[in-house]
Parts: sequence; C-alpha cells; structure tokens
Amino acid sequence: EAGVTQFPSHSVIEKGQTVTLRCDPISGHDNLYWYRRVMGKEIKFLLHFVKESKQDESGMPNNRFLAERTGGTYSTLKVQPAELEDSGVYFCASSPFGENIQYFGAGTRLSVL
Amino acid sequence: KNQVEQSPQSLIILEGKNCTLQCNYTVSPFSNLRWYKQDTGRGPVSLTIMTFSENTKSNGRYTATLDADTKQSSLHITASQLSDSASYICVVWNDMRFGAGTRLTVKP
Repeated sequence: EAGVTQFPSHSVIEKGQTVTLRCDPISGHDNLYWYRRVMGKEIKFLLHFVKESKQDESGMPNNRFLAERTGGTYSTLKVQPAELEDSGVYFCASSPFGENIQYFGAGTRLSVL
Repeated sequence: KNQVEQSPQSLIILEGKNCTLQCNYTVSPFSNLRWYKQDTGRGPVSLTIMTFSENTKSNGRYTATLDADTKQSSLHITASQLSDSASYICVVWNDMRFGAGTRLTVKP
C-alpha cells in the first residue's frame, strides 16, 4: 500500500511567485492534515480536512494560503504570493476516520528567494 | 514561548546505551500525548500515543511515560541502535502543539 506522497519534494521560487503543493493521502483516509516547519522552529498545524470539508483551519497563517481538497481525495496547498518567511518544510498527513495514528508524507521543502 | 518544551535539544550516545528524552508541556487539558520519530528527509512516524489517564506505553525498545500532575513526559530508548539516530518529537494533541524535537545521534 502506498504511503502519503507529496509533490514536489523541493520547490525554489522567488518572492511574489505562486507555488502549489500537492498531497496524496493514503487511499481511503478521510482525514488529511497540513503542517509546516519553518527553519529552526517546531512543526505547526495549518489545517485539517475531513473528506472535502475543512474541519479546522485555525493554523492557516494568512489569506495568502489556500488549501483545497476537491472530491475528498488529494489536496493542494497554494501560496500566492509567496513571501520569504514562507520558506520551510510543508508536511501532509492522513488518517482513517476514527483512528488516532497519523501517517506523514516526506514533506515538501519550499525555498522562497 | 512554546507550550511544549523538549530537552535536550541534541544528544549523542554510544550504540547499545540507553537514553531518556524529556517533554514538558503547559497545554491543558489534552486528549493525548504523542511521541514521533523523524528521520532526516522523512516525515514523522508515530511511536506512542498516550491518553491523559495512561502512565506508560511501550513500543519495542521505546517506552513513553506520562505524569499529568507535573505535566511531564519522557521517552526512554533501551539498547540504542545506529538506526535510532533521528529527531524525536513530542506532540500534545489538544490543538496539535509540537515540541521542537530532540536530535539523537547514536555512534558506533
């Protein structure tokens, strides 16, 4: 069974550009989470989908970030326009309904220059 | 100040030795406390999940303890192996507060 996959593994963009990160959760997992780790800091929660609905988006830093999960399968996280402080590693995790354990992807390293 | 503080920041031990990592938190109440292992370039992998009422939970050579009165948790690694080299992250599952992690290096 495939794990959580994230694309791309690394993205380098210039300030002001747009970047879209993608997460493919484990098949059948209703819960999908986005997190990010800014350099030198702890991992922070961004938002949580249950199927296609946003269950909790309290961690989204500002309106430059837009997450979608159309159809309740894969999810995208768009940053527009990107700022220098958006640099970091963005993780996605998924879990089945009613289960505690989350399965993380390897992350996307975003570098904004 | 992070509500989940881990210590030490980094630790180097010799293969075969035991070690204990600490996690102090101020988040309260919470549903469970988790320990994750994160290898370089990989996502975190769950080691243990403890509810508020549990005191200890083991997963092979990993044993986590929880003292809800003092708001402390520890992760004890027994008979360390080279493959234990990783970051270990404590997470208080209330509003998903992550610690900054302890970087463990196991040397031969």
